Amino acid sequence: DIVMTQSPDSLAVSLGERATINCKSSQSVLYNSNNKNYLGWYQQKPGQPPKLLIYWASTRESGVPDRFTGSGSGTDFTLTISSLQAEDVAVYYCQQYYSTPLTFGGGTKVEIK
Amino acid sequence: EVQLVESGGGLVQPGGSLRLSCAASGFTFSSYWMSWVRQAPGKGLEWVANIKQDGSEKYYVDSVKGRFSISRDNAKNSLSLQMNSLRAEDMAVYYCVRAHVYASGCYDYWGQGTLVTVSS
Repeated sequence: DIVMTQSPDSLAVSLGERATINCKSSQSVLYNSNNKNYLGWYQQKPGQPPKLLIYWASTRESGVPDRFTGSGSGTDFTLTISSLQAEDVAVYYCQQYYSTPLTFGGGTKVEIK
Repeated sequence: EVQLVESGGGLVQPGGSLRLSCAASGFTFSSYWMSWVRQAPGKGLEWVANIKQDGSEKYYVDSVKGRFSISRDNAKNSLSLQMNSLRAEDMAVYYCVRAHVYASGCYDYWGQGTLVTVSS
């Protein structure tokens, strides 16, 4: 099974500042035949189901603000919120879909400082 | 508008059974992989099972193999999860999720979830 490890577990960022979340997979999720990283990012606000933000490691889902950016390749990935807004307070999860069982990271809680 | 509405959750004793259902609407159900993802209280997300568009392929996380069975009825736009031999560690909110059309292992629509409580 591919283990997804996120860091940090939580972070507090001032409004308008940058938030950076890291995700590391125990093996590469880059599929060489199509050069795509099978990695997604989700946002979950309290009491709500998760919402897909990013797929293929860096493709923003329709309607997602451009302050959310995914980057990385192979085993190391980053979700960056360029200018934190109050509505971005949530838990963020990475997920690999390279192989079953599909697995999620443990989550990173983002709060306002 | 895409909608996924789960039902069937509730309180069950250890060793008992429960059947979850998901009513899908607002999209061509038969064109998408579908899955169940669960979340234990206060914990992270865990993929449980998925099923191909025509039901010909099904995959499960090891912890539920042999106990859970995923199925679908494309004529009724419905997804099901039969859960047998339930354990305390199966207690969670179970989400019905639709796979992304371009990235079938990612999930672009989620239901509100149904809570399964396993307790004597």
